[in-house]
Amino acid sequence: KAGVTQTPRYLIKTRGQQVTLSCSPISGHRSVSWYQQTPGQGLQFLFEYFSETQRNKGNFPGRFSGRQFSNSRSEMNVSTLELGDSALYLCASSFAGQQTGDEQYFGPGTRLTVT
Amino acid sequence: GEDVEQSLFLSVREGDSSVINCTYTDSSSTYLYWYKQEPGAGLQLLTYIFSNMDMKQDQRLTVLLNKKDKHLSLRIADTQTGDSAIYFCAESTGGSYIPTFGRGTSLIVHP
Repeated sequence: KAGVTQTPRYLIKTRGQQVTLSCSPISGHRSVSWYQQTPGQGLQFLFEYFSETQRNKGNFPGRFSGRQFSNSRSEMNVSTLELGDSALYLCASSFAGQQTGDEQYFGPGTRLTVT
Repeated sequence: GEDVEQSLFLSVREGDSSVINCTYTDSSSTYLYWYKQEPGAGLQLLTYIFSNMDMKQDQRLTVLLNKKDKHLSLRIADTQTGDSAIYFCAESTGGSYIPTFGRGTSLIVHP
């Protein structure tokens, strides 16, 4: 069974631009969660999507948004990029979602650098 | 809000046991997790424990939970160089189960 895949793996953007990251969950998993990992703030939860609906949201500004498609693939969008958005963005999938305490499987992440 | 604390570094000799400690503040934590992150990789769930358990053993890994002191530990027996990684402690509470992570402990195993 293929694991969680994230594309692209590396990305360099300029301040003010926008970016879209993609996550393909493990086949059969309906929940996708996104996390931001930085040296300063550590790992922080962004949002969770389950069956195309946002179920939970972390404490991030509205510039961070996401969506999930009918095949459970998810995209995360960051608009008006700031230098502080430079981070490793991790996606995790699970079958039933966080509300069940279901085990999450993480992808390798997308390393975003904002210059 | 919830807080999870870990020491930043731990250095051990190959073959020794490693003990990584974690404290948390949310007394209503339901699940407590240990994740491993190797360089350039995402997180891998190593093990988890329910808050109504005191101990869980899985091969070389032993998790101890002291709920009264809100203290969680991960013991790795016979530590190998392949165990060198960052280990994250995390907790989640009933309801949303959104995990709160510690900053991670960097385990360095030297020969």
